[in-house]
Amino acid sequence: LAKTTQPISMDSYEGQEVNITCSHNNIATNDYITWYQQFPSQGPRFIIQGYKTKVTNEVASLFIPADRKSSTLSLPRVSLSDTAVYYCLVGDNQAGTALIFGKGTTLSVSS
Amino acid sequence: GAVVSQHPSRVICKSGTSVKIECRSLDFQATTMFWYRQFPKQSLMLMATSNEGSKATYEQGVEKDKFLINHASLTLSTLTVTSAHPEDSSFYICSAPRQGLGLFFGSGTQLSVL
Repeated sequence: LAKTTQPISMDSYEGQEVNITCSHNNIATNDYITWYQQFPSQGPRFIIQGYKTKVTNEVASLFIPADRKSSTLSLPRVSLSDTAVYYCLVGDNQAGTALIFGKGTTLSVSS
Repeated sequence: GAVVSQHPSRVICKSGTSVKIECRSLDFQATTMFWYRQFPKQSLMLMATSNEGSKATYEQGVEKDKFLINHASLTLSTLTVTSAHPEDSSFYICSAPRQGLGLFFGSGTQLSVL
């Protein structure tokens, strides 16, 4: 299973764009990249998933370069409620495959 | 809405008792579910893989006799912490994969053993 590396923490202010980069040098051909958000005492919540290039949904964008060895989660105009831990995970979408969590990035948003 | 339901959300028990946690996939079938444990300010650690109709597979260092897993139906997996002790106090989270969409997580269960 591919190992991921993210910054331990990031700080931002309300209204700013936040970009969190994750490296996954040994990603496999069948692996997707998925980002989750976790608040204290809650289960991880799915944010976005991609395989290559760019994916955008109503809450975030995910940028994946051609070599897929890294990915960047972009959160536009963060608010205080975006303060959370963000995890980048790689793995295939097959039903029998667990995802292994790295340490995640603690994002702190201030006013 | 939630696609994976986990209950209870919080449980407090006395040392030596057993606690059962339920994890249900809503509106989809999950032949496999995963159980994680999370200690304060740490990441999630995979404990075991629950397989419908067969034995669970446990990660290294996880005692299968202490953490009993039953996956009796295609939508329900249970984790029973047997003879719980204070060191078992933790946040337990289940997850179920939805084919082609990825892994979805329950809301977690905070276990406190007195």
